[in-house]
Amino acid sequence: NAGVTQTPKFRVLKTGQSMTLLCAQDMNHEYMYWYRQDPGMGLRLIHYSVGEGTTAKGEVPDGYNVSRLKKQNFLLGLESAAPSQTSVYFCASSYGTGGYEQYFGPGTRLTVT
Amino acid sequence: DQQVKQNSPSLSVQEGRISILNCDYTNSMFDYFLWYKKYPAEGPTFLISISSIKDKNEDGRFTVFLNKSAKHLSLHIVPSQPGDSAVYFCAATAGDGSGNTGKLIFGQGTTLQVKP
Repeated sequence: NAGVTQTPKFRVLKTGQSMTLLCAQDMNHEYMYWYRQDPGMGLRLIHYSVGEGTTAKGEVPDGYNVSRLKKQNFLLGLESAAPSQTSVYFCASSYGTGGYEQYFGPGTRLTVT
Repeated sequence: DQQVKQNSPSLSVQEGRISILNCDYTNSMFDYFLWYKKYPAEGPTFLISISSIKDKNEDGRFTVFLNKSAKHLSLHIVPSQPGDSAVYFCAATAGDGSGNTGKLIFGQGTTLQVKP
């Protein structure tokens, strides 16, 4: 099992460019999440999905869109990148909620110049 | 408004001693609390969790204590090992009107250094 994988690992964008981050999990998990980590702020939830075909907003959704067309994939899109979106992005998945652990991918380091 | 706070950015302990990492929260609706460990350039990995109906949960060298009246939880690592050196995040989750969606609210993290 690969667990949770993220593509790409690193990316540099110019302001205004667009890109899509791909998250894939092979654990048949229903729940998937996108977080961003910034220095001194922990991880903050951007968007999440409670099942195939569903998406919902988290704490910091502005400037991002997501799609969950297949159960195993969760895509995070930036339509017009801004320097404030420079961050490390983590995808996670889980079997259930409450005390169920979330499995995290290795992260994508994005720099917007 | 930071609902989950880890007020100590860093902690240094000697190998073999106890490490105590603290976490405070403000939302009384949180029903599960989790601790994650993160090494540089890797994703967080789950360590241990506790339900709000319990006050203690133990897993090997790791014990989490929950004091609901003080809205405080702590992670104890005994004995501490150099391999425990990492960033530790406290996180909490709560149900909403349609149930618990698993959304985690994270603290800022505490960097633990265990010296040999």
